[in-house]
Amino acid sequence: DQQVKQNSPSLSVQEGRISILNCDYTNSMFDYFLWYKKYPAEGPTFLISISSIKDKNEDGRFTVFLNKSAKHLSLHIVPSQPGDSAVYFCAASHSNYQLIWGAGTKLIIKP
Amino acid sequence: DAGITQSPRYKITETGRQVTLMCHQTWSHSYMFWYRQDLGHGLRLIYYSAAADITDKGEVPDGYVVSRSKTENFPLTLESATRSQTSVYFCASTLKRGSSYNEQFFGPGTRLTVL
Repeated sequence: DQQVKQNSPSLSVQEGRISILNCDYTNSMFDYFLWYKKYPAEGPTFLISISSIKDKNEDGRFTVFLNKSAKHLSLHIVPSQPGDSAVYFCAASHSNYQLIWGAGTKLIIKP
Repeated sequence: DAGITQSPRYKITETGRQVTLMCHQTWSHSYMFWYRQDLGHGLRLIYYSAAADITDKGEVPDGYVVSRSKTENFPLTLESATRSQTSVYFCASTLKRGSSYNEQFFGPGTRLTVL
């Protein structure tokens, strides 16, 4: 049973517009959430994270929102750029170093 | 160069053969991890290590063996490779968790094909 779900395998967005990637989880014990970005033939790289005690974290063009009551988080990228085209993974942890990963969403930024 | 490296980057082997994937990090991170990435599953943890000589199973450990005699190295061995072990394997490392979660840093991956 997947504890972290990314229900959209792919997403296509026009350059300059907002990209919104979604992630749902089932385990209410998760206390930390992370987003990773992955280019082909490379390992995932850390993008942004949020603690469960917060509902928003912002870093430049990237903002993560956490809705604990809905067990939902989202990553907003504004404005979207061609270099943002990649696979985005949502991951979660509960009080330890182990991460539970979603299946990923492939983001395509159209020029 | 500093960072986390994996070797080989690509490997083709046959069913039943033993294969070892290497992972080396230069940060002296305490924790190291092995994941496999398969379509539709995201990353799944195979084994992890909290320090030298301390290893433990993750979500999908069957068919794999690890060792960690030195902090910087964490090899993953497939004792008798099967086709179901065809995958992309990622090694990662992180500092020991303190007051906040430390993100994991990943190597470039090894693409393994078992024929």
